[in-house]
Amino acid sequence: DAGVIQSPRHEVTEMGQEVTLRCKPISGHDYLFWYRQTMMRGLELLIYFNNNVPIDDSGMPEDRFSAKMPNASFSTLKIQPSEPRDSAVYFCASSLGTGRGNQPQHFGDGTRLSIL
Amino acid sequence: DQQVKQNSPSLSVQEGRISILNCDYTNSMFDYFLWYKKYPAEGPTFLISISSIKDKNEDGRFTVFLNKSAKHLSLHIVPSQPGDSAVYFCAARGKNNNDMRFGAGTRLTVKP
Repeated sequence: DAGVIQSPRHEVTEMGQEVTLRCKPISGHDYLFWYRQTMMRGLELLIYFNNNVPIDDSGMPEDRFSAKMPNASFSTLKIQPSEPRDSAVYFCASSLGTGRGNQPQHFGDGTRLSIL
Repeated sequence: DQQVKQNSPSLSVQEGRISILNCDYTNSMFDYFLWYKKYPAEGPTFLISISSIKDKNEDGRFTVFLNKSAKHLSLHIVPSQPGDSAVYFCAARGKNNNDMRFGAGTRLTVKP
């Protein structure tokens, strides 16, 4: 039973480069979430989708960040241009909708991003 | 704004004893609370949850208690095992709201 799959697991790139993080949610889940974890701010929600539609992107730090979900089984988080302060672990999570009662979010193993 | 707080960054207990992890929240609109466990280099794993209409939920060695009047919840692990050593995150969200807030985490170490 596959969980949430994220790629790459690690990414090291130079400042100014474009970074693309990928996520495959659990099949059948209609919500997808992108989180960022840093020492200073902990785990914070960046954006989430319902049925491939972005619902709340108020956590996206700035215009350099963008996220898409072209279909139910794939989402990307893109940073362009990247900066050293974007270094963090980025998690993707998915869940069934709250219309089916309280449902936990299930997380991928994250992408550790280092911007030099 | 820290709506979910875990004031103890770390906890150390002996194998076989009880581990109690605490969490406080400030938003009275929260009605669903969760605990996640996280090992290094892995994502958080859902452990147990509780709805605001309950004050206790038990699953094997894990029990979550909710005190709504105090805006406090706790996770009890008994008996604790070395494999329970991990970082535990408390999380909460409002009704029909997918914006989940996480605490900063508590690192539990269970000594053999």
